[in-house]
Amino acid sequence: KQEVTQIPAALSVPEGENLVLNCSFTDSAIYNLQWFRQDPGKGLTSLLLIQSSQREQTSGRLNASLDKSSGRSTLYIAASQPGDSATYLCAVRYGNQFYFGTGTSLTVIP
Amino acid sequence: SAVISQKPSRDICQRGTSLTIQCQVDSQVTMMFWYRQQPGQSLTLIATANQGSEATYESGFVIDKFPISRPNLTFSTLTVSNMSPEDSSIYLCSVKTGYNEKLFFGSGTQLSVL
Repeated sequence: KQEVTQIPAALSVPEGENLVLNCSFTDSAIYNLQWFRQDPGKGLTSLLLIQSSQREQTSGRLNASLDKSSGRSTLYIAASQPGDSATYLCAVRYGNQFYFGTGTSLTVIP
Repeated sequence: SAVISQKPSRDICQRGTSLTIQCQVDSQVTMMFWYRQQPGQSLTLIATANQGSEATYESGFVIDKFPISRPNLTFSTLTVSNMSPEDSSIYLCSVKTGYNEKLFFGSGTQLSVL
């Protein structure tokens, strides 16, 4: 079974700080990797999707990178804001199967 | 992209009762997925719903407990039957669509069973 790990489980930063969230996977033969945001008790909102042939994707203050050889993806959030407080999950796709990490709970302190 | 309307958004139910969750997608999709997210945990796939055929259930999930309907390419329901407190979770529907087959999720149903 594929494993997807997100460390740390929780992170607290002051407003304005740049931060990096990590996602690790055991098998490098991925199809794509997707980052999501989840607010408490809610569904998942797609942030960025990186195809296996890509190295990074950017949207606004978010930048996601992918290094298949090391089994790692990072989500970089620039100039963090209190509204960024949420749980961030990564999902790795192998064929038609999706494997989700347990998420990093981010708190941005005003 | 896909917009998924999921309802109810939350419910509190008594043990032994059943709840049906509905998902409506704004475009036609071949497959819809139903996930469960137990408190503090990640997502677990319950089943994949295909239009015109029976849903495909993952190990540990059975049709009698989680019957699924998929009457057309834009709609699906998941029923949680004979509920117990262990069924308290967030239930999510999802679709895969677009040229890059991105995953999109409904807003989730937070279920509490007393």
